[in-house]
Amino acid sequence: AQSVTQLGSHVSVSEGALVLLRCNYSSSVPPYLFWYVQYPNQGLQLLLKYTSAATLVKGINGFEAEFKKSETSFHLTKPSAHMSDAAEYFCAVRDYGGATNKLIFGTGTLLAVQP
Amino acid sequence: ETGVTQTPRHLVMGMTNKKSLKCEQHLGHNAMYWYKQSAKKPLELMFVYSLEERVENNSVPSRFSPECPNSSHLFLHLHTLQPEDSALYLCASSQDLEGGAFFGQGTRLTVV
Repeated sequence: AQSVTQLGSHVSVSEGALVLLRCNYSSSVPPYLFWYVQYPNQGLQLLLKYTSAATLVKGINGFEAEFKKSETSFHLTKPSAHMSDAAEYFCAVRDYGGATNKLIFGTGTLLAVQP
Repeated sequence: ETGVTQTPRHLVMGMTNKKSLKCEQHLGHNAMYWYKQSAKKPLELMFVYSLEERVENNSVPSRFSPECPNSSHLFLHLHTLQPEDSALYLCASSQDLEGGAFFGQGTRLTVV
């Protein structure tokens, strides 16, 4: 079965600083990986996805993530944080177990952006 | 607008009530999901429907009863809930998850 682990349940950065949110995966097959963002009392919004094409994936709102097979990682980055980036971020992997595909989520990382 | 609409957005119900959550998707997807999001806990997958057939039920108590009458609609019927069932219930849809899943805004459920 596939799984993801997010290191750091809380990350705090200053406005304008680099954002780095960590995600490591475990998968017995080439993974499909996703990053989602959730604002308070909202659903999850897809930021970006890796589906075995280019290893550097660009998403919305200036975020990008790099798939590194040797490190089993898919970390999310943004060069310069904005106040509006404060939210919770979830890494997810597509799981092939059972009768259909489903997404397995990490525990989430809450990003705080300080002025 | 995500293409997945959930109603109601907020629901307060007593433990003896019966209520239903509704989810509607206009994306032409072939799979729909119910997730439960509780404070300080990971997202829990509750049910998966593929082509209107329930294909997964992750040991969810029988007081939660899903229904998928067609490929665009998904319901979660609730009865005799417990306070610990208070959570954000999220519906999602996908087309084989090639592009990920698309989520609704969620229903914030409070059981009193």
